Amino acid sequence: QSVLTQPPSASGTPGQRVTLSCSGSSSNIGSNYVYWYQQLPGTAPKLLIYRNNERPSGVPDRFSGSKSGTSASLAISGLRAEDEADYYCAAWDDRLSGRGMFGGGTRLTVL
Amino acid sequence: EVQLVESGGGLVQPGGSLRLSCAASGFTFINYNMNWVRQAPGQGLEWVSHISNSGNTIYYADSVKGRFTISRDNAKNSLNLQMNSLRAEDTAVYYCAREGGNLCYFDYWGRGTLVTVSS
Repeated sequence: QSVLTQPPSASGTPGQRVTLSCSGSSSNIGSNYVYWYQQLPGTAPKLLIYRNNERPSGVPDRFSGSKSGTSASLAISGLRAEDEADYYCAAWDDRLSGRGMFGGGTRLTVL
Repeated sequence: EVQLVESGGGLVQPGGSLRLSCAASGFTFINYNMNWVRQAPGQGLEWVSHISNSGNTIYYADSVKGRFTISRDNAKNSLNLQMNSLRAEDTAVYYCAREGGNLCYFDYWGRGTLVTVSS
């Protein structure tokens, strides 16, 4: 069971806006940056959002991230078929000696 | 172009050992912290270990602490993961990931190498 909680599945139709959530605690999301990764089937993960809401070059502005307190969200607007993938949030957790944390992932289906 | 290429995966019996390597190119390796992240078949991502650019700071997931050792050779642009006392639950694709400036900020990933622990 992941310390960062994500819904296991989400869906939307082309053109729709969907929001994926990630819930944590004061020791991870509450005190550290949140990152989002996209994993297309059969490929390595790819950085989608860094430092809560920054987009790497090459990532479309349809993707946006936000953070409030101990929760974070990834919004995808203008949903496209190629957005169908697994999405993971990640944050460092300061408890004990420190450790990296991923959410369990949300599988996004484009209907 | 940044490239990370993992090697060393394979089939190993429970209790056995394996050493993974990650060859880095296209960037100044000594300037970057590095990590290993794994993914069991059909499962989500799990962070495994972090090593600072100098090798002086190391973190491990509780699930591998005491069994895995991360190291790096900055002269050879190489990241390593020595895995001992392997268990069936260590079966996964192991990814090498470059850290982009903050913990958990993985800006480049390798394609991964599969480790299977089975008798």
